[in-house]
Amino acid sequence: AQKVTQAQTEISVVEKEDVTLDCVYETRDTTYYLFWYKQPPSGELVFLIRRNSFDEQNEISGRYSWNFQKSTSSFNFTITASQVVDSAVYFCAPQTSPISNFGNEKLTFGTGTRLTIIP
Amino acid sequence: GAVVSQHPSWVICKSGTSVKIECRSLDFQATTMFWYRQFPKQSLMLMATSNEGSKATYEQGVEKDKFLINHASLTLSTLTVTSAHPEDSSFYICSAVRGDTVFQETQYFGPGTRLLVL
Repeated sequence: AQKVTQAQTEISVVEKEDVTLDCVYETRDTTYYLFWYKQPPSGELVFLIRRNSFDEQNEISGRYSWNFQKSTSSFNFTITASQVVDSAVYFCAPQTSPISNFGNEKLTFGTGTRLTIIP
Repeated sequence: GAVVSQHPSWVICKSGTSVKIECRSLDFQATTMFWYRQFPKQSLMLMATSNEGSKATYEQGVEKDKFLINHASLTLSTLTVTSAHPEDSSFYICSAVRGDTVFQETQYFGPGTRLLVL
């Protein structure tokens, strides 16, 4: 079974500050996937990124960047120059690889980090 | 993109009635869809996995006779809350799996349905 810990329950930062959301996961799989989703106040989960465990390159997408450290089982998410629209709950979620468990694409959701950007 | 819709977005019903929620993948086909529920300020709890053409797989503790799931086509899954009671009031979210190969599969979520049982 997989497990994910998002130790930061709530974070508040002033607009334009950078903020990093931590994610630590546990898995017995040698191959797996990691996801980040954003849930704004409207409730709809928005897909942000999917990372394969065998690809340890960090990724940048606009103001978003992700730092994947397989050795420490962490997949942290940084927002640069935060904006009020970034206010949301962010979920980190590992997923078993279909290689290990074909047909079972279940995500394991953490408790989420509620991010508030103060204007 | 990958668009998933849910209908209705809001439903208020009396205790004892049944409520059907639809989940549709609008621009892709989804062999697999998932149903979650979420209580205020909590994480998502997986209720069941819905596979097109076969019976749904329910998570432990989820009553299959209470929450009926039908995945009738590659773009539609329905969740029926039978004989709803106030404790069933929650935010129900579906997701649909999209991917050209098993190595690219990603869950895309619907906007959710808020159910209030009086």
